[in-house]
Amino acid sequence: VLTQSPGTLSLAPGERATLSCRASQTIYRDSLAWYQQKPGQAPRLLVYGASRRAAGIPERFSGSGSGSGFTLTITRLEPEDFGVFYCQQYGGSPFTFGPGTRVDFK
Amino acid sequence: EVQLFESGGQIVQVGGSLRLSCVASGFSFGMYGMAWVRQAPGKGLEWVAGISGNNEGTFYAASVRGRFSIRRDNSKNTLTLLMGRLRPDDTAVYYCAKSNYADNSAANALGHWGQGTQVTVSS
Repeated sequence: VLTQSPGTLSLAPGERATLSCRASQTIYRDSLAWYQQKPGQAPRLLVYGASRRAAGIPERFSGSGSGSGFTLTITRLEPEDFGVFYCQQYGGSPFTFGPGTRVDFK
Repeated sequence: EVQLFESGGQIVQVGGSLRLSCVASGFSFGMYGMAWVRQAPGKGLEWVAGISGNNEGTFYAASVRGRFSIRRDNSKNTLTLLMGRLRPDDTAVYYCAKSNYADNSAANALGHWGQGTQVTVSS
């Protein structure tokens, strides 16, 4: 089971966002991904393998953590960085998603 | 350019069956694991099923095991989800998604997604 915190994050452009994802047990080989989803759109892969940025993802997105605790950090939020962010573990089936963290702007 | 196009979503009655298809292009389909992910109205993402590139491994969420079947035809670049004994809580947008790595495995992050197809189960 994956839990994400906080449920909602209200920040201003230029601020730093820190999103947490915690697993109920160790995730095999840190097989943890982060996705961003905007309203009416399909999700977009941001980070895989806990800390590897996907192709085309800006450097302000970074993933960290290992074992059962992971973090997605967005330094200097841009206006287009709103949406819901999900973590997913793919270390063992079923490859579950967390409940999401909504990032909106003050 | 990677493209994934889902089809087959419609309104169906409780207990009914449905076949979803996803046609892929722009990559070597048989080298990538694939998955179906769904999203109920106003809810989060739920991983539904995954399949390895060579068809040898299939994986399911507990909520659909025994009712849904994931299949692929690598000669036609097509992924399929066969859905049976449908329930109202199966109502969702169903996304087809491609693994991030060309290593045949279904145990990968999902690097490309289709735009989804709507399934509504009506009682």
